[in-house]
Amino acid sequence: NAGVMQNPRHLVRRRGQEARLRCSPMKGHSHVYWYRQLPEEGLKFMVYLQKENIIDESGMPKERFSAEFPKEGPSILRIQQVVRGDSAAYFCASSPGEGVARYEQYFGPGTRLTVT
Amino acid sequence: AQKITQTQPGMFVQEKEAVTLDCTYDTSDQSYGLFWYKQPSSGEMIFLIYQGSYDEQNATEGRYSLNFQKARKSANLVISASQLGDSAMYFCAMRLTQGGSEKLVFGKGTKLTVNP
Repeated sequence: NAGVMQNPRHLVRRRGQEARLRCSPMKGHSHVYWYRQLPEEGLKFMVYLQKENIIDESGMPKERFSAEFPKEGPSILRIQQVVRGDSAAYFCASSPGEGVARYEQYFGPGTRLTVT
Repeated sequence: AQKITQTQPGMFVQEKEAVTLDCTYDTSDQSYGLFWYKQPSSGEMIFLIYQGSYDEQNATEGRYSLNFQKARKSANLVISASQLGDSAMYFCAMRLTQGGSEKLVFGKGTKLTVNP
């Protein structure tokens, strides 16, 4: 069973460029969550998606950040016009959404974004 | 406010001994869940254990057990027979369900070092 897949694992962008982070949930999981981890901090919730729907984006900055989880393909977190403060580890998690383990969120390895 | 507090920035334990990592939480919700995750130096987030607020028995998974004291709002992680590979950051997290949304709120973490 493949776990949650994220790519790329490391991403370097210059200020003003766009960053695209991809997440493929575990097989059978239809719920995807994105979290951000700044150095020496815990993870902070950004957005919760189900297929083709954004359920909760209350943790997303209002500008430059967007997320999608299309019917086919991975979930994408997109950051436009990156700034140095966007440098962080971005984690994706997935859960089945039903069944005994419906609340268990399994995390991918993360994407480390560095903005130069 | 929904909040997780981990008061121990760092903990040390001798190999083969047991160690308790503290976690207290604050919520007015009746239904919630508590997680522990391990983050080794390689950076991935590894799910360890989950406890639902209505679960009467403390959760156990191998060498991990969760000491859930609902009245005190604490959910401490106990690791028995520590191993060198247990050295890592440990995060406590609370599952919040609000208006159809689900998210995890994380503490700042505890760095555990297992000494040989």
